[in-house]
Amino acid sequence: NAGVTQTPKFRILKIGQSMTLQCTQDMNHNYMYWYRQDPGMGLKLIYYSVGAGITDKGEVPNGYNVSRSTTEDFPLRLELAAPSQTSVYFCAITQGNSNQPQHFGDGTRLSIL
Amino acid sequence: QKEVEQNSGPLSVPEGAIASLNCTYSDRGSQSFFWYRQYSGKSPELIMSIYSNGDKEDGRFTAQLNKASQYVSLLIRDSQPSDSATYLCAVNDGTGKLIFGQGTTLQVKP
Repeated sequence: NAGVTQTPKFRILKIGQSMTLQCTQDMNHNYMYWYRQDPGMGLKLIYYSVGAGITDKGEVPNGYNVSRSTTEDFPLRLELAAPSQTSVYFCAITQGNSNQPQHFGDGTRLSIL
Repeated sequence: QKEVEQNSGPLSVPEGAIASLNCTYSDRGSQSFFWYRQYSGKSPELIMSIYSNGDKEDGRFTAQLNKASQYVSLLIRDSQPSDSATYLCAVNDGTGKLIFGQGTTLQVKP
């Protein structure tokens, strides 16, 4: 998993609940990303970070928040879970500069009922 | 809006044949291009990176890039049943962000 650890692996939430998806890397990489993947679709970028203290929105940021207080951790927060957020969430890192490929964690499968 | 297009398939080939997967992209400023393989229920796994026009070979895999035509392809020679997966094309938009296609499902039949 390229040194990227995601927890939990599975979670079921009720509508309106909140939760934090954890992503931790042990390689001191600056670039970190959060994606969601809906069934039969490609990945959509939610948020990304180019270093500690710096975050920016991706293509589908609504309903999510992130923080990057350390290089190692990049948690993704869902404040008011909605059925449309049922998806598989992947965290990724880039080794080196921003032109290099991204490497993914094992993912978190989230269902909101 | 920057887009990456792939035929969703499924693409079915017999074992031992060449599988050809194609991808087009809309942003002429794109700098780097990647192919990922994703098995069902698993995370994407990088199999090829390509940065300049032409071909790049790695084992049974060859990536081809044509920036003038905004076209990237992946050839898999001597296809094996273990190659059956979804293949995702991803394009770096020049800012470090990847734009993904929806993926092409490949089925290799014994």
